[in-house]
Amino acid sequence: EVQLVESGGGLVQPGGSLKLSCAASGFTFSGSAMHWVRQASGKGLEWVGRIRSKANSYATAYAASVKGRFTISRDDSKNTAYLQMNSLKTEDTAVYYCTRLKTGYGYDYWGQGTLVTVSS
Amino acid sequence: DIQMTQSPSTLSASVGDRVTITCRASQSISSWLAWYQQKPGKAPKLLIYKASSLESGVPSRFSGSGSGTEFTLTISSLQPDDFATYYCQQYNSYPFTFGPGTKVDIK
Repeated sequence: EVQLVESGGGLVQPGGSLKLSCAASGFTFSGSAMHWVRQASGKGLEWVGRIRSKANSYATAYAASVKGRFTISRDDSKNTAYLQMNSLKTEDTAVYYCTRLKTGYGYDYWGQGTLVTVSS
Repeated sequence: DIQMTQSPSTLSASVGDRVTITCRASQSISSWLAWYQQKPGKAPKLLIYKASSLESGVPSRFSGSGSGTEFTLTISSLQPDDFATYYCQQYNSYPFTFGPGTKVDIK
């Protein structure tokens, strides 16, 4: 059974940092590109960024809204992807999903999401 | 960035109705379009990929069509489980972008 389990969400003050984790099982994590997508309450889906596989040099890319503040990494030995979020703003408040991009197909696996609230 | 639009934003329909949702891209994305279904409090679920290919396990009443800049998602006979919000997404180029969503509710 495929599982993506996010953790690490919570309440943080503006300007603070938080690191999310996404633990994967049931598929070949090391060969997969992993993405992060967020959704503010009552709003639509927003792509945050991605990290490719080792075969693709672990290349990362980010949305303009988070570039320079967020960093995506992965540990294939632990089947886990990470989203390090620094200099958080109130507008970063959202549910954060990790998801697997199946090349040519879209996002076939999603986690349950973890809520990040940025507030003083 | 490629902008995605959807119409309508809300759709009221009855069980058994045929439902069509339209998605438009601001520039050509070939067939690199996916459709997702999302229910409240849940993660999105992939329904259609490459504009018209049905994801494994998805009921055949869902279908997709289109290429270039205009796409449609059709539900041939709406079922109670289909009341949800539907999003299109382009994965032709980064940043990947989603449409604003279409909420299908009960008439």
